[in-house]
Amino acid sequence: ETGVTQTPRHLVMGMTNKKSLKCEQHLGHNAMYWYKQSAKKPLELMFVYSLEERVENNSVPSRFSPECPNSSHLFLHLHTLQPEDSALYLCASSQEYVKSSPLHFGNGTRLTVT
Amino acid sequence: GDSVTQMEGPVTLSEEAFLTINCTYTATGYPSLFWYVQYPGEGLQLLLKATKADDKGSNKGFEATYRKETTSFHLEKGSVQVSDSAVYFCALSDRGGGGSNYKLTFGKGTLLTVNP
Repeated sequence: ETGVTQTPRHLVMGMTNKKSLKCEQHLGHNAMYWYKQSAKKPLELMFVYSLEERVENNSVPSRFSPECPNSSHLFLHLHTLQPEDSALYLCASSQEYVKSSPLHFGNGTRLTVT
Repeated sequence: GDSVTQMEGPVTLSEEAFLTINCTYTATGYPSLFWYVQYPGEGLQLLLKATKADDKGSNKGFEATYRKETTSFHLEKGSVQVSDSAVYFCALSDRGGGGSNYKLTFGKGTLLTVNP
């Protein structure tokens, strides 16, 4: 399998649940990202990992917790979410964490918080 | 700070029409510029990029030229197809502050619908 794979594609969870989103990249890239995409808003960068170290954390609430166990895998652990957290969560990777390196995105996880 | 402004959609065209989606930016440094496309139910895909002034990025019949004097990176295609219906995002990547290597800023996206 090639590219960036995200699972699950759809997730419905209650506000008291704990769940995790998974991302795997098969491109040999060194940087991985989590983005949130909400209707009528620009993409919001949440976290960046470069060489398995977190390099960006854009004021994301602590109910979102990222984990990067190796350069190919990225997780987003979710707990005690709010309805406004419902969105499409996109994972991406890039060759390096440099300005000219384009991002390769997965197809996203559509999250609904009830 | 850096910002990207792209034309508000939606844009509706007939097949074989000419497409322009305007994009302008503000940046403190010398950014790289990108167009990404998102088809329904999918993530974003890189469409084309340009890394310095006067560079032209091109792919699948789409083109955009990095114009430093007008701080623009307009997307064009001479003859659109129904399969081009998607959301198009302009983005810039520049040296970030606060110790980060770079920062990627996206526009809000422009929905394009092409009718047969």
